[in-house]
Amino acid sequence: EAGVTQSPTHLIKTRGQQATLRCSPISGHTSVYWYQQALGLGLQFLLWYDEGEERNRGNFPPRFSGRQFPNYSSELNVNALELEDSALYLCASSPGWDSPYNEQFFGPGTRLTVL
Amino acid sequence: AQKVTQAQTEISVVEKEDVTLDCVYETRDTTYYLFWYKQPPSGELVFLIRRNSFDEQNEISGRYSWNFQKSTSSFNFTITASQVVDSAVYFCALSEPFNAGGTSYGKLTFGQGTILTVHP
Repeated sequence: EAGVTQSPTHLIKTRGQQATLRCSPISGHTSVYWYQQALGLGLQFLLWYDEGEERNRGNFPPRFSGRQFPNYSSELNVNALELEDSALYLCASSPGWDSPYNEQFFGPGTRLTVL
Repeated sequence: AQKVTQAQTEISVVEKEDVTLDCVYETRDTTYYLFWYKQPPSGELVFLIRRNSFDEQNEISGRYSWNFQKSTSSFNFTITASQVVDSAVYFCALSEPFNAGGTSYGKLTFGQGTILTVHP
């Protein structure tokens, strides 16, 4: 069974540009989560999508947004990039409402560098 | 609000030593779930274990064991006879049930992580 996949692996942008990160969940999983892992700041929850709806978001500005497609894959968009957005962005998936345990399985991440 | 504390920032051991990674958590929920993840240099978080708040049995899986003590809000992780391949960052995380609602809804709250280096 294929795991969570993310693309691209690396992304280099300049300040003010927009970045789009993509995630495909494990087959059968309906929930997708996004986390930011910036140097020295640990793993911070960004967004949670389930069945195409945004269910919760972390303490991030509105320029961090995303969506979930009918096939449950997801996109994370970061507008007006700032230097401090440089981080590893991890996507995770879970079975969603069918699993009360919220066991999340992670992808390899996208390393975003803002110059 | 939920909080997870991993007081050990870095641990360095020599191969074959036993090592324990500490995790202390805070939550007002009576039902919750605890996790350990491993993050090797490649960056991908690897799921190791889930423990439910109502199940205080300790668990052993090969060289790995977990000690869950609700009375002290701790969920510690021990690696027996460590190996170089165990070198990674280890994260403890906390989650509430989906039906709990609130600001922690759906997310994992992670500790800051413990960097484990096992020297040959």
